[in-house]
Amino acid sequence: AQTVTQSQPEMSVQEAETVTLSCTYDTSENNYYLFWYKQPPSRQMILVIRQEAYKQQNATENRFSVNFQKAAKSFSLKISDSQLGDTAMYFCALRVGSQGNLIFGKGTKLSVKP
Amino acid sequence: NAGVTQTPKFQVLKTGQSMTLQCAQDMNHNSMYWYRQDPGMGLRLIYYSASEGTTDKGEVPNGYNVSRLNKREFSLRLESAAPSQTSVYFCASSPRIPGQGSSGANVLTFGAGSRLTVL
Repeated sequence: AQTVTQSQPEMSVQEAETVTLSCTYDTSENNYYLFWYKQPPSRQMILVIRQEAYKQQNATENRFSVNFQKAAKSFSLKISDSQLGDTAMYFCALRVGSQGNLIFGKGTKLSVKP
Repeated sequence: NAGVTQTPKFQVLKTGQSMTLQCAQDMNHNSMYWYRQDPGMGLRLIYYSASEGTTDKGEVPNGYNVSRLNKREFSLRLESAAPSQTSVYFCASSPRIPGQGSSGANVLTFGAGSRLTVL
């Protein structure tokens, strides 16, 4: 069975600073994908970044980047130059290639303080 | 381009009542999903439909039924609502049959969610 664990229920960061959200996962498959989704107070689920397991290079999307450590089964999200609009729940998710659904962690509530 | 549309956005039911959550996508996606979100639990899969004409159980299917009406629409039905089904429900879709295609095929697009309260 696949699992996703986010060990930080809540975090806070000052505006313009950098914060890292942790995620670990477990799967026996070799073909899988990892995602970070953001859920602001509007409740909408928004894709932040994705990583293919077969790619060694860490994915980057503007201020968002990941540290993908395949051997350690770790997939952390780094947010640089934090903005007030980054305040949200962040979910780490795993999708195994042979299956369709996303398996989510329980989320980390991030507060960006002015 | 609306993406994934869910209705209703809010609903209050009494125990034992039935209701159907509707979901439609206009992106020509093959796969569709229903998740529920509870505080401290993340999102858990209820049912999914890998392609038109097929449906499969997810992690928490008890008390629910689904219908993949056509390629666009995937409904979730509560036959006899229980307080334990109070939750926020999300519909999602993805482009291709799981396991095929590029990583883009593995991205799920979500609806805005439906908050259901069962008294």
